[in-house]
Amino acid sequence: DAKTTQPPSMDCAEGRAANLPCNHSTISGNEYVYWYRQIHSQGPQYIIHGLKNNETNEMASLIITEDRKSSTLILPHATLRDTAVYYCIVKPRNSGYSTLTFGKGTMLLVSP
Amino acid sequence: GAGVSQTPSNKVTEKGKYVELRCDPISGHTALYWYRQSLGQGPEFLIYFQGTGAADDSGLPNDRFFAVRPEGSVSTLKIQRTERGDSAVYLCASSLTGTGTGEITEAFFGQGTRLTVV
Repeated sequence: DAKTTQPPSMDCAEGRAANLPCNHSTISGNEYVYWYRQIHSQGPQYIIHGLKNNETNEMASLIITEDRKSSTLILPHATLRDTAVYYCIVKPRNSGYSTLTFGKGTMLLVSP
Repeated sequence: GAGVSQTPSNKVTEKGKYVELRCDPISGHTALYWYRQSLGQGPEFLIYFQGTGAADDSGLPNDRFFAVRPEGSVSTLKIQRTERGDSAVYLCASSLTGTGTGEITEAFFGQGTRLTVV
């Protein structure tokens, strides 16, 4: 699986947009970009995934660059409850199952 | 329940003892995964079940670790002769699809079992 690079930590003011970057320069054509987050003392939670088009759901938006070498997860109006570790993962489309390779992720701290 | 359930939530055991950790996946999910998470690290894959069979156990660190899923639903992770280095949070996840083609579906995680070996 392609490796990802994320900043270890980021800060965001409550109510502002949180933009979390991820570099995946070795991504191959059949690999999706997945984002999960892990709130303290809980298991990881799926947020969103995409292949090459931008995606949006009720939780976040995912912007993937045209060359697919990087992506940005956007939380449009961050709340205190969005404080968590955010993991960017790339996974082959037809790998058959959802084994996920987690890195250390980005610790997002949302402050009042 | 609606989510993945893991019991116990906390387990303290003495070095050398045997422990079992239980996972109840979401009903109807054929795929089940075990992960281990040490402090400050992301979850690390241990084993994946498709139905009753272990389709990928490449993440199990050694032969002290074993997992079963005899009826294709509940799974038990078993650790023999526990060591202090086994202390971690053990996470279970399940998802709808497993083998075959098609887009990967999201994995739903439980709250984990915090294992402490003293």
